[in-house]
This record gives sequence, C-alpha cells and structure tokens, in this order.
Amino acid sequence: DIQMTQSPSSLSASVGDRVTITCRASQSISNYLNWYQEKPGKAPKLLIYAASSLQSGVPSRFSGSGSGTDFTLTISSLQPEDFATYYCQQSYNTYTFGQGTKLEIK
Amino acid sequence: EVQLVETGGGLIQPGGSLRLSCAASGFTVSTNYMSWVRQAPGKGLEWVSVIYSGGSTYYADSVKGRLTISRDNSKNTLYLQINSLRAEDTAVYYCARVYISRGRAFDIWGQGTMVTVSS
Repeated sequence: DIQMTQSPSSLSASVGDRVTITCRASQSISNYLNWYQEKPGKAPKLLIYAASSLQSGVPSRFSGSGSGTDFTLTISSLQPEDFATYYCQQSYNTYTFGQGTKLEIK
Repeated sequence: EVQLVETGGGLIQPGGSLRLSCAASGFTVSTNYMSWVRQAPGKGLEWVSVIYSGGSTYYADSVKGRLTISRDNSKNTLYLQINSLRAEDTAVYYCARVYISRGRAFDIWGQGTMVTVSS
C-alpha cells in the first residue's frame, strides 16, 4: 500500500500569509496527487487534482506542484475562509489520504 | 444539479449489520467510478472502497471482508453493506464521485451519514 505523509500536522498563520503544506508518498505516484479542504461539519472539497490543476471555482491563490513522491500545496495569501484542514490524496493505486494539516489562525 | 445524498446511518450494536445508500442526481452512477470514504470522530479521512464503471470493486485492507460496495443502476444509487460492525467503524461515511479524467480525484461528495457502533 502507498503511504502518504503530510507536514506539518498543524500550522498557525495570519491573514495575508503565504502558506505551504507538503505531502510525501512512500513510492512514486507520478502526478496522481489531489488536495482537499475540509471545514467542520462539511464534506471535503476538491481544490487541486493531478498535482497542479485547479478545480473549477477554486480561487487562484491555491496552487499545487510536484511529481513522483514530493508535492506541495501553496496558498499565496491566506483569507479568513481558508482556515480549515487540508488533506492530500494519492489516486495512483486505489486511494490513500494523508493524515491532514490543520491550518489555524495565529 | 449534480449531488449525492447519503442515508442509512444510525446507532448499531457491535456485531450488527448496516447498509448505507447514496442516491445520485445530475449524473449516472453506473458510468462513473464511485467511492466511499469515512471519518472517525476527531480523525482524518480514510478511503474505504471504490467501484469502477465496469463493476470491479476494491477495498481498504482495514475493512476487507466485512464491507461490500454495490450499485443499483435502475435507482442510480450506490450502496455500502457493513457487516460485523465494530466500535472502530464509528464514523461519518461519505460517498464521492471519482472524476476519471481529472486525476481520478473525488470531485463530488455527499453530506455524509453518521454510523455509531455502540451497545
């Protein structure tokens, strides 16, 4: 099975900050890496698919990069509505989620 | 409108069985890959199962043998049968559509249905 490791597990930041979350796969997954945002009581929302493609309707301050085993999600300028938990997911061989990164207000 | 609506959750005693339903609208379940994901209280997302458009099914090792994913094409509905329920099956269960041409990402999610396993 492919394991996904996110870092950090939690992060404190301020509105306007640039934030980067990292996700590492236990083996190469090409670009089969997706990012989701989750808010309490709501279903997860797809942000980025295929490592770097922005899902329709998602603000352009979100971006993704990477291939192989190492990937990043970047939020260029944090907005109040961005404080949430973020998950990476590999879709190369069935599916696995990372453990999540909770983004909190500093 | 494209949406998924899960039903069937509730309070179940350990050892019991449960069938969750996920009704789709705005698209056809049988021509898409469809998946189940669960989230235990205070924990992260855990992929559970997927059914491909051709009918092949796959499961996470943690649930293999106890869960069965299926669909009813006439009702445009996805199901998850859970047998021999354990406390660790307590979670919100989400169904999701797999967008094959977009990296096999999960682009549409239901609102979730809560399953609580307790005596």
